[in-house]
Amino acid sequence: AQTVTQSQPEMSVQEAETVTLSCTYDTSENNYYLFWYKQPPSRQMILVIRQEAYKQQNATENRFSVNFQKAAKSFSLKISDSQLGDTAMYFCAFMLKQGGSEKLVFGKGMKLTVNP
Amino acid sequence: GAGVSQTPSNKVTEKGKYVELRCDPISGHTALYWYRQSLGQGPEFLIYFQGTGAADDSGLPNDRFFAVRPEGSVSTLKIQRTERGDSAVYLCASSKRGAGSGELFFGEGSRLTVL
Repeated sequence: AQTVTQSQPEMSVQEAETVTLSCTYDTSENNYYLFWYKQPPSRQMILVIRQEAYKQQNATENRFSVNFQKAAKSFSLKISDSQLGDTAMYFCAFMLKQGGSEKLVFGKGMKLTVNP
Repeated sequence: GAGVSQTPSNKVTEKGKYVELRCDPISGHTALYWYRQSLGQGPEFLIYFQGTGAADDSGLPNDRFFAVRPEGSVSTLKIQRTERGDSAVYLCASSKRGAGSGELFFGEGSRLTVL
């Protein structure tokens, strides 16, 4: 079974500081995708960053970067220069392909609060 | 429209009633997904459409849940004989070809409350 684990339910950080959100996953597949999604109070899930498992280079999107450790099945998100607008729920997700289906499997999420 | 649109935004119903939730995906997106998000949990997969057909409905919890996408665009999630445990936010997402090839665009969800 494919599972995604986010062990930290909640974190807080001061504005302008750096914070790292952890995620581990379990799969027997070799080629897959990993994602971090952000969900503000509006409920809309917004893609933060995506990593393709066959790429060794860690993905980066402006202030957001990942530390992808394929052997350890670890996929952490680093947010640099935290901003008040980063306050949200963050979900790690694994993209599962089986037969003709493609679907995201999500972790339970982590609540991040950025304090002024 | 520019994004994925879901209606209603909020729905309160009584146990045993029938409800329909509507999703209008981004124009041109062939893949459409329904997810259910219970309080304090991550979204759980319900069903995946590629065009008009359900390519994967393995996440539908039981036969009270059904979804259609007759013209390959708008989709309706239908729940019969609602139960209190059905209370959740139902999220819809669309994509050009599927999750692995690009980004999933989510709507703001429909919050269902079953009294």
